[in-house]
Amino acid sequence: AQKVTQAQTEISVVEKEDVTLDCVYETRDTTYYLFWYKQPPSGELVFLIRRNSFDEQNEISGRYSWNFQKSTSSFNFTITASQVVDSAVYFCALSEAPQGGSEKLVFGKGTKLTVNP
Amino acid sequence: DTGVSQNPRHKITKRGQNVTFRCDPISEHNRLYWYRQTLGQGPEFLTYFQNEAQLEKSRLLSDRFSAERPKGSFSTLEIQRTEQGDSAMYLCASSPIPYEQYFGPGTRLTVT
Repeated sequence: AQKVTQAQTEISVVEKEDVTLDCVYETRDTTYYLFWYKQPPSGELVFLIRRNSFDEQNEISGRYSWNFQKSTSSFNFTITASQVVDSAVYFCALSEAPQGGSEKLVFGKGTKLTVNP
Repeated sequence: DTGVSQNPRHKITKRGQNVTFRCDPISEHNRLYWYRQTLGQGPEFLTYFQNEAQLEKSRLLSDRFSAERPKGSFSTLEIQRTEQGDSAMYLCASSPIPYEQYFGPGTRLTVT
C-alpha cells in the first residue's frame, strides 16, 4: 500500500533561515513518482516538482532544492534563505504506475511553514 | 485564465440537502480527478475520469456521491443527503498526460 509521511506538522522560522521539510514514503512498486505541492492560504495547490523513481539526482530550482534517497525512501525539500512569501502548507505526494488504473496522488498530511519577518 | 476552474467556490447547505459542484478542466486535458481535503489533512482521492469514462472510484465515494463527465469536458460531483461529515474542500485536477496534475481552486462545502 502507498503511504506518505510528513512528520513535521508545523515549522516556524525567521526570514533568511534555511528550512528542510521531510518526506518519507512507502510503496511496493519499483516505478513510481514523487511530488511536492505548495498550498498557500488561498487554497489552490501549486505544483513544485515531480521526480520519478529512476532518477535520484538532486534538483535545484532557485532557492528550492530536493534530495531524493531511495535507500531511505525519503524525498526532502529545502528552502534556502526563506522569505515571508514561502509561508504555506507543503505537501509531499506519491503516485504509483497503475495497472489500468489512475495515476492518483497519495498525499502526506502536509507541513505548515511559517516564515516570520 | 486557462487554468482549472471550479464552481461554486463556497457552498453552505443544510444537512440532508443535495449539492452539486462543477469542474471545468484545462482544455484538451483528457484526465480528470476529484479529491477531498478536510481540515489539517492532505487531499484524498475520490474518483478519476479518462475522457467520459469513470475508471476508478475510491472507497471514500459512498453511495451518496456521484460524479459524471458526460462529454469528456466538464465534470460534476453531486452529494445527496449531505451530512456534517461531508464538510470539506473538494478539489478537481486535470491532466494531459500521466503524472502531471493541475489543480483548481476548490469548492469549500460547509454542512450545517
